[in-house]
Amino acid sequence: DGGITQSPKYLFRKEGQNVTLSCEQNLNHDAMYWYRQDPGQGLRLIYYSQIVNDFQKGDIAEGYSVSREKKESFPLTVTSAQKNPTAFYLCATQDKGNTIYFGEGSWLTVV
Amino acid sequence: AQSVTQLGSHVSVSEGALVLLRCNYSSSVPPYLFWYVQYPNQGLQLLLKYTSAATLVKGINGFEAEFKKSETSFHLTKPSAHMSDAAEYFCAVSDLGGGSNYKLTFGKGTLLTVNP
Repeated sequence: DGGITQSPKYLFRKEGQNVTLSCEQNLNHDAMYWYRQDPGQGLRLIYYSQIVNDFQKGDIAEGYSVSREKKESFPLTVTSAQKNPTAFYLCATQDKGNTIYFGEGSWLTVV
Repeated sequence: AQSVTQLGSHVSVSEGALVLLRCNYSSSVPPYLFWYVQYPNQGLQLLLKYTSAATLVKGINGFEAEFKKSETSFHLTKPSAHMSDAAEYFCAVSDLGGGSNYKLTFGKGTLLTVNP
């Protein structure tokens, strides 16, 4: 089945803990993105990667880190430096026609 | 810098009525424009896309949008609302002046409610 797989769907983080959200794609797209969604704020770009082994900060990168060691994978780590991590996180890829496709999202809650 | 403004964070219509969701953009170069729909607890799904071909773009589920350069608008319409159209809708703009794949800028979304 082609598409973007995000896991886990729901994740709980304790104070001071780092957590990693997984994003895997089999669409053969070069570009991948992480967005954060909060109610009433739309989507805000955290990090993006246009090619393997390269990534760029988005608008709200502080407290987050990423890696892009493989074309298929773009994991996002939410570090303890992110003071308000509770949100819905969306991974996306972009085709050569500049259309962005989204995964089903992951909910992160601080407990 | 590009930006998107969606007028109205919440729109409510009756089943069978016209749906009109407003989007205005700013971009320093000819833009690509998108409308996405999001159902609760899900990712965003592409409804339609404008890429400088026809100014009237038809999408899935009976939606369409018209690009009006003079008004810098890209409003989304559907002649007759269904209950299943209740969702959040996002307008987005992509500045292709950079000549390569580039990030989208999203509006803050409009929540559409359909009343029976």
